[in-house]
Amino acid sequence: SQKIEQNSEALNIQEGKTATLTCNYTNYSPAYLQWYRQDPGRGPVFLLLIRENEKEKRKERLKVTFDTTLKQSLFHITASQPADSATYLCALPLWGGSQGNLIFGKGTKLSVKP
Amino acid sequence: DAGVIQSPRHEVTEMGQEVTLRCKPISGHDYLFWYRQTMMRGLELLIYFNNNVPIDDSGMPEDRFSAKMPNASFSTLKIQPSEPRDSAVYFCASSSQGSPLHFGNGTRLTVT
Repeated sequence: SQKIEQNSEALNIQEGKTATLTCNYTNYSPAYLQWYRQDPGRGPVFLLLIRENEKEKRKERLKVTFDTTLKQSLFHITASQPADSATYLCALPLWGGSQGNLIFGKGTKLSVKP
Repeated sequence: DAGVIQSPRHEVTEMGQEVTLRCKPISGHDYLFWYRQTMMRGLELLIYFNNNVPIDDSGMPEDRFSAKMPNASFSTLKIQPSEPRDSAVYFCASSSQGSPLHFGNGTRLTVT
């Protein structure tokens, strides 16, 4: 069955630096992969979706890459700010391109220090 | 739009009691999902509905868990009888075809 690994449980960086989070999957290559942000006591909030035929996607200070050969997605936050501190989750469809039936990684908790 | 609304936010109950969690999805969304989150296992999909019909309940842990969606604007997740290992945060999420998931803020369940 498909498994997702987010390599770091926690990542601490200095304000202004680039945070890079990793998501690896083990089995089939999904049609797309999503990243979510979760703050304490709140539900995950969607950030970005990248499709299998896209190498890179950007949104403001966020950048996501998708390498189907390595079975890996990287999530970058440039010029990080303390307000970026949260847990970031990657998710992919359980079965191929199935609508919304997502499995999630356990997340990486990012702390940005001023 | 108020987003996905879950109630209660917190529930503390004793082992053996029945627990009912409630969810109001975003209007117009035709998919509804119930997830459970724990430190050990992360976010796990329990069941999802499309147009009020259960599509996949393979994530439901056991017969003590049941979910219903009587109409497009309401869903319940029931645990009867509850056990301490059911303690977790339960999230409801909704979406429409091709859109990402919109999560509620969850119900934190503690079973003593």
